Amino acid sequence: GAVVSQHPSRVICKSGTSVKIECRSLDFQATTMFWYRQFPKKSLMLMATSNEGSKATYEQGVEKDKFLINHASLTLSTLTVTSAHPEDSSFYICSAVPQVASNQPQHFGDGTRLSIL
Amino acid sequence: DAKTTQPPSMDCAEGRAANLPCNHSTISGNEYVYWYRQIHSQGPQYIIHGLKNNETNEMASLIITEDRKSSTLILPHATLRDTAVYYCIVQFSGSARQLTFGSGTQLTVLP
Repeated sequence: GAVVSQHPSRVICKSGTSVKIECRSLDFQATTMFWYRQFPKKSLMLMATSNEGSKATYEQGVEKDKFLINHASLTLSTLTVTSAHPEDSSFYICSAVPQVASNQPQHFGDGTRLSIL
Repeated sequence: DAKTTQPPSMDCAEGRAANLPCNHSTISGNEYVYWYRQIHSQGPQYIIHGLKNNETNEMASLIITEDRKSSTLILPHATLRDTAVYYCIVQFSGSARQLTFGSGTQLTVLP
């Protein structure tokens, strides 16, 4: 089955640090990847849509200068949380859609738990 | 995308079938019903999806009513590992669009 790998799984760092999270589709190519954020006891909320070779599309209220997204290849998207603060602590999850997407579901990574001290 | 309604929580005895309902009364003709689940502290896991016909795979069965306004996910023999939040999502297929997650159903499988 389709596998999405997300790295790292957990990050603990000091306030002001920038953190990069990688999302890879291991056995398929993905023109589009999505980044979600999930706070405790809440559902997943879409942050941005990452498109290979073009700029990401951000949801309302998500700061594009704070959450930098790069989708340089068909198998890799990265999310960089710049100058992270405690309020950025959350569970970040990516998903990818197979390029040949007719009737194919999205597949999710296992998430990255970010804790900012 | 059409909105879905699910009960917030359900319990099921281990070894018994778990039947999780979902209402999607505003579903349109081109929208599929997708089911995902999220085990604590993990990313969502795809389970099954369907358009009109009932579907079955190695994980579960999906029963969609004839009018397509509701569906039921069936886990035939629930195990403790099936304890998770189950999300029913309606979406057009074939388009790379984000999934809109509702609150889902917290299924607790009891020993």
